[in-house]
Amino acid sequence: QQPVQSPQAVILREGEDAVINCSSSKALYSVHWYRQKHGEAPVFLMILLKGGEQKGHEKISASFNEKKQQSSLYLTASQLSYSGTYFCGTETGGGADGLTFGKGTHLIIQP
Amino acid sequence: GAVVSQHPSWVICKSGTSVKIECRSLDFQATTMFWYRQFPKQSLMLMATSNEGSKATYEQGVEKDKFLINHASLTLSTLTVTSAHPEDSSFYICSARPGLAGSEQFFGPGTRLTVL
Repeated sequence: QQPVQSPQAVILREGEDAVINCSSSKALYSVHWYRQKHGEAPVFLMILLKGGEQKGHEKISASFNEKKQQSSLYLTASQLSYSGTYFCGTETGGGADGLTFGKGTHLIIQP
Repeated sequence: GAVVSQHPSWVICKSGTSVKIECRSLDFQATTMFWYRQFPKQSLMLMATSNEGSKATYEQGVEKDKFLINHASLTLSTLTVTSAHPEDSSFYICSARPGLAGSEQFFGPGTRLTVL
């Protein structure tokens, strides 16, 4: 079942922060975050596997609340290059599952 | 980092013809490859999971006779859209995973198919 992402769209000024949420009605094995720019393939950001796990790289971080079957992506001090559509992809099984992607969150960063 | 290529990048074909799209992992062996389809302004939808040397597993609603998948080696999977129609026009993206579930999937650059 497709995870639910919120918000659908965000418009920020450069330097502002954003939070994107991803929730599932099913227990999750892992959550993958990607950013996609128009006409391009998704670019991997990070994977979260364990309940309570948090990861970050530079000004982008994410958390995974396994009990709530939710994950959040945090963008701090956003840059113009952060613009794009952010997708969470979820795995619900431990086997050879592909990712089930949410509908995406469109992020627009204005100077 | 791991690189996945797709060929062609784009293709325009006439209705009724078949189109083959290749997905290659260039610097790693992929035990599992996945094929996704993305319509304009929509999310990626998993079409099928492909394991080397075995039959592909198709998602519900995806016609296996229309979308033929062959995973002949650990570095190559092909998707053939048979008897393509305008409604098959889409962005087809493959991904390859060198490890087990929960590990990163590396996406190819995608192939834009336009059926006239």
